[in-house]
Amino acid sequence: QSVLTQPPSVSAAPGQKVTISCSGSSSNIGNNYVSWYQQVPGTAPKLLIQENNKRPSGIPDRFSGSKSGTSATLGITGLQTGDEADYYCGTWDTSLSAEVFGTGTKVTVL
Amino acid sequence: QVQLVESGGGVVQPGRSLRLSCAASGFTFSSYGMHWVRQAPGKGLEWVANILYDGSKKNYADSVKGRFTISRDNSKNTLYLQMNSLRAEDTAVYYCAKFGPSGMDVWGQGTTVTVSS
Repeated sequence: QSVLTQPPSVSAAPGQKVTISCSGSSSNIGNNYVSWYQQVPGTAPKLLIQENNKRPSGIPDRFSGSKSGTSATLGITGLQTGDEADYYCGTWDTSLSAEVFGTGTKVTVL
Repeated sequence: QVQLVESGGGVVQPGRSLRLSCAASGFTFSSYGMHWVRQAPGKGLEWVANILYDGSKKNYADSVKGRFTISRDNSKNTLYLQMNSLRAEDTAVYYCAKFGPSGMDVWGQGTTVTVSS
């Protein structure tokens, strides 16, 4: 059972914007960096955002991350069909001494 | 290029053991902590365990504590996951991943473990 809560799905038309929320607590998001991962079905996850809002090399600036208190948000602008995937937030939970992931959000491009 | 390649998955009976390996290349393996993450069929990501760069500290998910052991051989650039007393609920794709500035910045392609009689 995940300690980070995400909406099960979001959708938008090509070119539009979507945001995905990730809600946690002071023991995880509130005091640790948040990462975001993209997983196309049948493939391994890929890091999209690290340290709350930093994009690794090769990740387009259409992807952005932010954090406020015990919640984090992933934004995707200029939505493309290739963005259809499952997206997960992740962070360290200090109380559990464990890495925790969000419940996952499926992005659909209409 | 930076690469992680898992191996060792397969079909195993409940109660038996299996050892997974993760071969690293393209980076200084001995300088980075490593994770194991799994994904049951149709489910989300579940963190399993991690280990510091020198093996000095290990952490485990409650679901595998006491049954699974993470280890590494820096001379062989290889990460391991020894899985004992396997249960049906351990059926999953198992990924190894490298510590990043936060989270996991490089992932392997995964190896499938099926626990079934």
